[in-house]
Amino acid sequence: SQTIHQWPATLVQPVGSPLSLECTVEGTSNPNLYWYRQAAGRGLQLLFYSVGIGQISSEVPQNLSASRPQDRQFILSSKKLLLSDSGFYLCAWRSTGDTGELFFGEGSRLTVL
Amino acid sequence: AQSVTQPDIHITVSEGASLELRCNYSYGATPYLFWYVQSPGQGLQLLLKYFSGDTLVQGIKGFEAEFKRSQSSFNLRKPSVHWSDAAEYFCAVVLDSNYQLIWGAGTKLIIKP
Repeated sequence: SQTIHQWPATLVQPVGSPLSLECTVEGTSNPNLYWYRQAAGRGLQLLFYSVGIGQISSEVPQNLSASRPQDRQFILSSKKLLLSDSGFYLCAWRSTGDTGELFFGEGSRLTVL
Repeated sequence: AQSVTQPDIHITVSEGASLELRCNYSYGATPYLFWYVQSPGQGLQLLLKYFSGDTLVQGIKGFEAEFKRSQSSFNLRKPSVHWSDAAEYFCAVVLDSNYQLIWGAGTKLIIKP
């Protein structure tokens, strides 16, 4: 069966520090991968999605970036965090050709101080 | 532009009472529709989905939803809620051109003992 994991689960970082959140999927190949953010009291905001290795589409311009170095690995990064980057980050995947159903990781809570 | 509206930010229901969460969408064609649930600090879990066929779909945890094309709605229902149903519920619609999801803002369900 397919599984998705993301880490770390919780992160507290100072303003201006770098960020790396990692997400891996097991049990499937060539998935579409997604990074979402939930700010407090707000809905889901799509940040990045990837349809293949090295292919990244950005939905929202900001100081975050994403990379997909391997088929089932998706990384969210920042060189310098802002206070506004605080939030709950969710990684998700779906099978290519499926009708849109997403499977989510457990989430990563980022607090920027 | 396509959109998904969940008009209720919060809903409070007594344990054992029935529940209906509203979801309306704006989309030209018949969409693919989803309901997800998110417990505090967790990722999102798919409750149910509608692609075609029977407009009343059954999901996990005793939930069901009915697609009404004439009303552009996909409301989620449960005949008797349990305290463990307290969570946030998200309705989503897929754009069939690239299967990207459009999300509602979510409805937070509060259960009164």
